[in-house]
Amino acid sequence: GAGVSQSPRYKVAKRGQDVALRCDPISGHVSLFWYQQALGQGPEFLTYFQNEAQLDKSGLPSDRFFAERPEGSVSTLKIQRTQQEDSAVYLCASSRALDYEQYFGPGTRLTVT
Amino acid sequence: AQKVTQAQTEISVVEKEDVTLDCVYETRDTTYYLFWYKQPPSGELVFLIRRNSFDEQNEISGRYSWNFQKSTSSFNFTITASQVVDSAVYFCALSGGHGGSQGNLIFGKGTKLSVKP
Repeated sequence: GAGVSQSPRYKVAKRGQDVALRCDPISGHVSLFWYQQALGQGPEFLTYFQNEAQLDKSGLPSDRFFAERPEGSVSTLKIQRTQQEDSAVYLCASSRALDYEQYFGPGTRLTVT
Repeated sequence: AQKVTQAQTEISVVEKEDVTLDCVYETRDTTYYLFWYKQPPSGELVFLIRRNSFDEQNEISGRYSWNFQKSTSSFNFTITASQVVDSAVYFCALSGGHGGSQGNLIFGKGTKLSVKP
């Protein structure tokens, strides 16, 4: 079956612009995670959904970051008024249940100029 | 707090050598899960293994093997007879139940493995 897909793969934004990153999880996976990966670092947790419920958003770095998964499938990570420090790869992962292996998408590389 | 340490930043070997990637973790949870992921130059993280804290049996999958030792809080990964295609960054990760944050992965900084022909 299809894996996790993310779009766009690359995004260049000018400082101050809003961006929206999309994640399509594996069909039937109830858990969906967003991570941020800076260059040369491991991914860092941003937020987590169980179906449509956002159960943990403790990793979101500021109130400029917002995520949603309204129908329990596709998720969108929105960043308002982008800053240079937001430049990173944003990874989406899904799993069939908590603590099971997470399958990652290819990521969206965001560059803020 | 939960933490994963991968002390080896970069390792370079020649093809056919065996190589071990170290992973040490910290957690106060009694139930937790450990993972290894591979991130090749293409960038996509590839799941390799998941191990729960109650299963200390070592696992072998082809040229890959994992050694889990709770006494030393380590979960090391060995590649036998390495190949050029094994060149990638390898991440060790930890998850565990703690309040409402069950399931998110805590990653180490990764070990970059270069296998030269």
